[in-house]
Amino acid sequence: QKEVEQNSGPLSVPEGAIASLNCTYSDRGSQSFFWYRQYSGKSPELIMFIYSNGDKEDGRFTAQLNKASQYVSLLIRDSQPSDSATYLCAESGGGADGLTFGKGTHLIIQP
Amino acid sequence: DAGVIQSPRHEVTEMGQEVTLRCKPISGHNSLFWYRQTMMRGLELLIYFNNNVPIDDSGMPEDRFSAKMPNASFSTLKIQPSEPRDSAVYFCASSTIQEGEQYFGPGTRLTVT
Repeated sequence: QKEVEQNSGPLSVPEGAIASLNCTYSDRGSQSFFWYRQYSGKSPELIMFIYSNGDKEDGRFTAQLNKASQYVSLLIRDSQPSDSATYLCAESGGGADGLTFGKGTHLIIQP
Repeated sequence: DAGVIQSPRHEVTEMGQEVTLRCKPISGHNSLFWYRQTMMRGLELLIYFNNNVPIDDSGMPEDRFSAKMPNASFSTLKIQPSEPRDSAVYFCASSTIQEGEQYFGPGTRLTVT
């Protein structure tokens, strides 16, 4: 049974600071990794995906993948109150495969 | 471009009744996924289709649940008979087979009393 682990939080970060969200996964065969943002009462929204070891940057977001350590992270620079949400980490075996999700980390950006 | 469309958005039904949830994937996407989200268990994959063919239904909780995809633009998830423990938000997502990025619909909030 694949597992994805995240700290549930809440993680409280002051506005303008860097928010760091972490995730570990159990299956060494996992190929693809995703970060979704979910506001309360809304559906998950894809914000980043990463397939190779290293860093991937998109605007204020950076995803980091270390397959040897089975570790994925998401950095949010210049955090804004609108970034307050639950962040879900997910993995798949690659291609059109179903996703295994972590329970999510609740992030609070304090103005 | 329209995103994934789900209906109904809310469904309240009594135990024992049949429930049918509907999904229209993003045009051009050939993979479709059904997920269920609860506070206790989080977001769980129920079943997914590639090119309208069911690939993995190991997440379907029991025989009361069934899913079909009769064509590339429509899928249903049926629960018969429904039970209070089926209360959850059911999401449909779609992607292309070549790329793994899945895009979610707005969800159907199901309450079984």
